[in-house]
Order: sequence, then structure tokens, then C-alpha cells
Amino acid sequence: TQLLEQSPQFLSIQEGENLTVYCNSSSVFSSLQWYRQEPGEGPVLLVTVVTGGEVKKLKRLTFQFGDARKDSSLHITAAQPGDTGLYLCAGGKDGSSNTGKLIFGQGTTLQVKP
Amino acid sequence: NAGVMQNPRHLVRRRGQEARLRCSPMKGHSHVYWYRQLPEEGLKFMVYLQKENIIDESGMPKERFSAEFPKEGPSILRIQQVVRGDSAAYFCASRQGLYNEQFFGPGTRLTVL
Repeated sequence: TQLLEQSPQFLSIQEGENLTVYCNSSSVFSSLQWYRQEPGEGPVLLVTVVTGGEVKKLKRLTFQFGDARKDSSLHITAAQPGDTGLYLCAGGKDGSSNTGKLIFGQGTTLQVKP
Repeated sequence: NAGVMQNPRHLVRRRGQEARLRCSPMKGHSHVYWYRQLPEEGLKFMVYLQKENIIDESGMPKERFSAEFPKEGPSILRIQQVVRGDSAAYFCASRQGLYNEQFFGPGTRLTVL
């Protein structure tokens, strides 16, 4: 079974603080996506990383893909209440048996208090 | 993700009834995925379809669940004889090609009484 473990599961912080969410696996993934989901809505894609060691920045969000392509992290600088939501990492695999299905972590619920 | 349409957004069924969930992919997308999400959990893959073909149904329960993506019209996820354990949010995602990113719909929240 291919698993993606996210940590922490819950995070409650004050506005202005920094935070990091981790996504770890014993399996190698060809790509890693990060999604943000708000209550009652579907996941919205934030970023896709495909190269080991890759770092991508999206305003105050920094995403990193591990060198071995087994883990990833999401760092938020100076969190704001609008960052509140469920953050999901999802891994994809290439190969002849690949059907494009995504394997999701269990999610990190972030609450940013004003 | 506004391009992927799902309906209904909310569905209430009594035990033993049938639930039918519909998904219209983004324009030009021929690959459809269905995922299920239990409360405060990540999404679990159920089935992958292309037009008129089921490609991967390794995540589908063996009984009561079926899916189709006809040549014309939306993809349908059908759950027969629903039980309380089927209560969840069901999401559809579509992609243009096998190596493109998936875009998710808003989901259907199924409640079984």
C-alpha cells in the first residue's frame, strides 16, 4: 500500500506566524501536488512539483520536493486568516501501469486566528 | 476548478435507496476520476474512466457501486442499496491527457439516513 503521511494533522496559529506542513512516504512519486480545500468545496490545486529537490514559491507559500522524491513540504510565511483551510498533498506515479490516479495524504487542517 | 460540474451538490437518501451522482468534466477533458472523502480525511481514489471505458476501478467497492462515462453526457457514479457507511463527499476530477493536472469539481455530499 502506498501511503502519504501528512503532519501535523491540525494546526492552530496566530496571524503573522510561520508554519510548515510535511508530507512523507516510503514510496517514490513522479509528481507531488498540493491542494487547498475549503469547507463544502472541492480541492483547488496550488502547485505541482516533479523534480527531486525542486522548490517552488507562490507568494507567501514555498513548496519543496525531496531529493529522493519521497517527501514534500509546504511552508507558509506570515500566515493570514485567509490561509485557513485543509491542505492536502497528493502523489502521482508514472510508468506502464500508471493510470494517473492520485494518492492523497490525510490532510492538515490549518486555522489562522486574527 | 469551476469548470468541472457536479450535481447534485447535496443528496439525501434512506438506507436501501439508490444514489446517482453526475459529473461533467471540463471542456476538452476526456479523463474522469472519482474520489471519496470521509469527514476530516484525505481523498481516496475510486475509479478512472475515459469515454465509454472503465480504465481502473481498483478503488471501487466490489458490490453496489458502478460508474460509467458514456459517449454523450456526464459521467455517472451509481450506488445501489445505500448504507450509512456510504455517507461521504464524492468528488470528480478531470484532466485533458494522462500527464496533465487534475481539476476537481465541488463535490456531492451524500447523506444516508
